[in-house]
Amino acid sequence: QKEVEQDPGPLSVPEGAIVSLNCTYSNSAFQYFMWYRQYSRKGPELLMYTYSSGNKEDGRFTAQVDKSSKYISLFIRDSQPSDSATYLCAMSPGADRGSTLGRLYFGRGTQLTVWP
Amino acid sequence: NAGVTQTPKFQVLKTGQSMTLQCAQDMNHEYMSWYRQDPGMGLRLIHYSVGAGITDQGEVPNGYNVSRSTTEDFPLRLLSAAPSQTSVYFCASSYGSQETQYFGPGTRLLVL
Repeated sequence: QKEVEQDPGPLSVPEGAIVSLNCTYSNSAFQYFMWYRQYSRKGPELLMYTYSSGNKEDGRFTAQVDKSSKYISLFIRDSQPSDSATYLCAMSPGADRGSTLGRLYFGRGTQLTVWP
Repeated sequence: NAGVTQTPKFQVLKTGQSMTLQCAQDMNHEYMSWYRQDPGMGLRLIHYSVGAGITDQGEVPNGYNVSRSTTEDFPLRLLSAAPSQTSVYFCASSYGSQETQYFGPGTRLLVL
């Protein structure tokens, strides 16, 4: 079993829709959770970063972490065509958990298209 | 700051050839990593470094070598290219182990 599971999609929604992207994981040591956005033929760029459980909001984006269920989500409100990209979840145990320092565990990415 | 830079952007190799993918960062980050990205496979860690002179293997290290002689540079060497190494390669850096990683624009490699 892969440590981080993410439905690759593709996901296609109309402009203005609420988008929900999800990842599940198996390693209970994960403490740091990230969402990266990757446009076609570009490198991933950090979108959201959270530590431990809870919610974090940044504009139209909300990241949720439920460590008891080993489940993280990214919500996009009022989605725009410019949000069309691949979204990758990533997570890390952190240096104090005997992890490989600096190592991130990535999901496979979900391809999102927002059509006008 | 230029951030993380990678060269070349695109490369075609023949099976058995060797080459070096260059990666540099100007953010004084201690941690640097190399990933490969293949369709349906996501990002897989090849090698990483926690500082100058210190490197270690990631998930898929076979066929690749790295060295870290300076904080800024982290080249990835393909010793004898194989078609299975056709991929997009990303270099990333971060300030600390718990910090977020910043990615370069990628190098697209085609091995014939």
